[in-house]
Amino acid sequence: LAKTTQPISMDSYEGQEVNITCSHNNIATNDYITWYQQFPSQGPRFIIQGYKTKVTNEVASLFIPADRKSSTLSLPRVSLSDTAVYYCLVGTPEGYNKLIFGAGTRLAVHP
Amino acid sequence: NAGVTQTPKFQVLKTGQSMTLQCAQDMNHEYMSWYRQDPGMGLRLIHYSVGAGITDQGEVPNGYNVSRSTTEDFPLRLLSAAPSQTSVYFCASSTRTSGRGYNEQFFGPGTRLTVL
Repeated sequence: LAKTTQPISMDSYEGQEVNITCSHNNIATNDYITWYQQFPSQGPRFIIQGYKTKVTNEVASLFIPADRKSSTLSLPRVSLSDTAVYYCLVGTPEGYNKLIFGAGTRLAVHP
Repeated sequence: NAGVTQTPKFQVLKTGQSMTLQCAQDMNHEYMSWYRQDPGMGLRLIHYSVGAGITDQGEVPNGYNVSRSTTEDFPLRLLSAAPSQTSVYFCASSTRTSGRGYNEQFFGPGTRLTVL
């Protein structure tokens, strides 16, 4: 199973771009990289998923270098409402049941 | 669509009591799962199901039972509650994987359980 390492916490200010990097050195060929967001007292919510290069949606961008040993979630122009815990997950479609939510990165956005 | 619903939202049990946490989804998702989240930690998979009549164990199954008689419902039973089972429980559902990445999981609002 590919283990992920993320910073425990990050601080930012409104309007800034936030980049959260996840390390997954033993990622397997078939593994995909997925990020979830969790607000206090709520269940996690899917943000973005990718396999290689760059993926962008209306919420975030995901950058994956060629060696795929890390990935970076980029949140443009954060607001106070982006204060949450962000989880990086790595796994295969067949390993649905083995996805591991680590402790995540606790992002605090300040005025 | 209501999405994934969980009841109750809060529950206090005494050690040794049993109870069932309810989970239902109205999205016709094949996959359903139960997680627990302890303070300051990520989610840990308890049990999961890939379809009606099919269940399997996750990372921390001891002390919990599940069944899946319908596509919509996936109850979690605590057989004999222990203080170590004090946690927030989340139910999630998703469609069958498309083979290109795994489809996103939709999570319920959670049940906060305290065992005294």
